[in-house]
Amino acid sequence: QVQLQQWGAGLLKPWETLSLTCAVYGGSFSDYHWSWIRQPPGKGLEWIGEINHRGSTKYYPSLRSRVTISVDTPKNQFSLRLTSLTAADTAVYYCARVDRVGGDYYGMDVWGQGTTVTVSS
Amino acid sequence: DIVMTQSPLSLPVIPGEPASISCRSSQSLLHSNGYNYLDWYLQKPGKSPQLLVYLGSSRASGVPDRFSGSGSGTDFTLKISGVEAEDIGVYYCMQGLQGITFGQGTRLEIK
Repeated sequence: QVQLQQWGAGLLKPWETLSLTCAVYGGSFSDYHWSWIRQPPGKGLEWIGEINHRGSTKYYPSLRSRVTISVDTPKNQFSLRLTSLTAADTAVYYCARVDRVGGDYYGMDVWGQGTTVTVSS
Repeated sequence: DIVMTQSPLSLPVIPGEPASISCRSSQSLLHSNGYNYLDWYLQKPGKSPQLLVYLGSSRASGVPDRFSGSGSGTDFTLKISGVEAEDIGVYYCMQGLQGITFGQGTRLEIK
């Protein structure tokens, strides 16, 4: 059974950089796309971006200037980097598997446990 | 950006009764392959979201058959034939055609 295990710093200061990593256990890494989603306290889900095993990325337009998603295929891991943090970036951050092969699509079928990130001085 | 709009935002339901959630997109979600790139997710309290329905009407693995998705183009519906206590949480629709966008969420509670 596929599992996503994510980790990273939970308390950051304004203007610092968020770094999170998500490891994929028990399944293929190269056959899927991988995504980051966040959820501010008491609010809905917001997509951050997506990457495939070759490193091809798509980002949410309003975050594009501050976001980098990268992949380490030999380690079955992918990472999120978000720069110039403000309090508005406080959220639970999730990694997820996107079942998207060629032109086919089957949804985000596996999610990580979530990491709470707080931005405060 | 494709904007996703859900209604209602809050849905009190008596156990055993049916429930229905609507999702409307600002652009058609119909891919050239004939499928609608629309998913439904449930986020139970304190948990990560889970996939219920993909491509508008296909139930994900392990999802009970009381959940069903329908619709095409810009109008979609998630129906629960008989709500159970374990179904409480926030339901989100999501488009995967151009990037990814979520609806605001619909909170289902037991009346």
